[in-house]
Amino acid sequence: AQSVAQPEDQVNVAEGNPLTVKCTYSVSGNPYLFWYVQYPNRGLQFLLKYITGDNLVKGSYGFEAEFNKSQTSFHLKKPSALVSDSALYFCAVRRLNSNSGYALNFGKGTSLLVTP
Amino acid sequence: GAVVSQHPSWVICKSGTSVKIECRSLDFQATTMFWYRQFPKQSLMLMATSNEGSKATYEQGVEKDKFLINHASLTLSTLTVTSAHPEDSSFYICSAEGGFATDTQYFGPGTRLTVL
Repeated sequence: AQSVAQPEDQVNVAEGNPLTVKCTYSVSGNPYLFWYVQYPNRGLQFLLKYITGDNLVKGSYGFEAEFNKSQTSFHLKKPSALVSDSALYFCAVRRLNSNSGYALNFGKGTSLLVTP
Repeated sequence: GAVVSQHPSWVICKSGTSVKIECRSLDFQATTMFWYRQFPKQSLMLMATSNEGSKATYEQGVEKDKFLINHASLTLSTLTVTSAHPEDSSFYICSAEGGFATDTQYFGPGTRLTVL
C-alpha cells in the first residue's frame, strides 16, 4: 500500500532560520509525492509535487523538497522561515483508487510554528 | 489558475435536516472530484470520489445513503448530508483535478458543518 509518514507532530523554528518538515514514504513502484499547507479553518493549498525528473523540486512561497530514493524521504524545506509560514503541513502520496482512478493518502500532518 | 470554491463556508442546521454543500472548479474542467472530512487537529479522511456523469465511489465505512454526492457537470459537485446528526458535525473539504490540473488535486476552502 502507498503511504507516507510524518514523524513530527510539531516543528518550531525561529524566523529567518531554515526549516525542514520531514516526510518518508512507502510505495511500490515510482511515487507521486505532494506537499500541501493548511491555514486554520481553510482548505489545503498545493505547494509542490514530485513525479519524475530532478530530485530537487521547487514550489510555491519559496518552498522546495528533495526526493531521496535511498532514504525514501521527501522532506520539505525553506531557507529562511517567515512567521506567516506557521501552518499545518501535509505530505501525500498518490495511490490507485477503487474507481480505477487515483486518490491521495495523506500523512497525519505537521504543525509548523515560526516564532519572531 | 486551478481555483476551487466551496459554498457555504459554514452552516448550522438542526438535527434531522439535510444540508447541501457545493464544490466548483472555477477555471478548469474537473473530471474527478473528491470529498474529504477532517476532524480537529487530524488529517483528511477521503469519503468519496466522483467522476463527472457517473456514480460516486465511496470509501469503506462511509454511508452512501447519508452522504449523497452528485457530479453533474465538469465544474460542479455537490455533497448532501441527509438527516444530519450532531456526529456529522465536521469540516468538509472538496478537491478537484482534471484539465490542466492533471495529476494534482486542488482543494476548496472547506465547509464547517455544525449540527445542533
